[in-house]
Amino acid sequence: QVQLGESGGGVVQPGRSLRLSCAASGFIFNTYAMHWVRQAPGKGLEWVAMIAYDGSNKYYAESVRGRFTISRDNSKNTVDLQMNSLSAEDTAVYFCARDPNASGWYGSFDYWGQGMLVTVSS
Amino acid sequence: DIRMTQSPSSVSASVGDRVTITCRASQGISRWLAWYQQEPGKAPKVLIYAASTLQSGVPSRFSGTGSGTDFTLTINNLQPEDSATYYCQQANSFPITFGQGTRLEIK
Repeated sequence: QVQLGESGGGVVQPGRSLRLSCAASGFIFNTYAMHWVRQAPGKGLEWVAMIAYDGSNKYYAESVRGRFTISRDNSKNTVDLQMNSLSAEDTAVYFCARDPNASGWYGSFDYWGQGMLVTVSS
Repeated sequence: DIRMTQSPSSVSASVGDRVTITCRASQGISRWLAWYQQEPGKAPKVLIYAASTLQSGVPSRFSGTGSGTDFTLTINNLQPEDSATYYCQQANSFPITFGQGTRLEIK
């Protein structure tokens, strides 16, 4: 069955960096686009970034563009989110999620990881 | 960016009732819309995509309609396990955006 699992979260000081990783299994990873979605405590869902199945296309929310970088390693079935210049506004649970469209993207999410909390605080 | 506006923000209903949640897009998105259910402390779960297509495994008492700018999620015969927050999401264009959520309480 499809499984997604995030790692790398924790507490980080403002202005510092953190890298999240999502390990995927149970499907042909290199045929699906992947996303990161976040949720601040007590708030709604916010899409963060998407990477195409082959890494050829990447899209970002305006709130993270220039600070966050999404990448993937299809040999390891992982998708990462490098987060730089973090601020308190980036405090959230970060979910990795699979796009349902093989060899393209639809822009929605059919499988989600359990989420990883990132807290930006001094 | 496309703004997604849900109503109501919260609703309370009884077991067996029917509930309708609406979602309005700030511009036309054809049928590029999905609905999600999120229980506290859990990851969201997709219910419906392409405005009206039921995700495999989702009970048939969930249904979605709409196109363009106006969409609805209907839950028939409410069950206790339907207590959750529901989000709409547009997949028409980047950045992908969500509605603010509708909290459903079962009386």
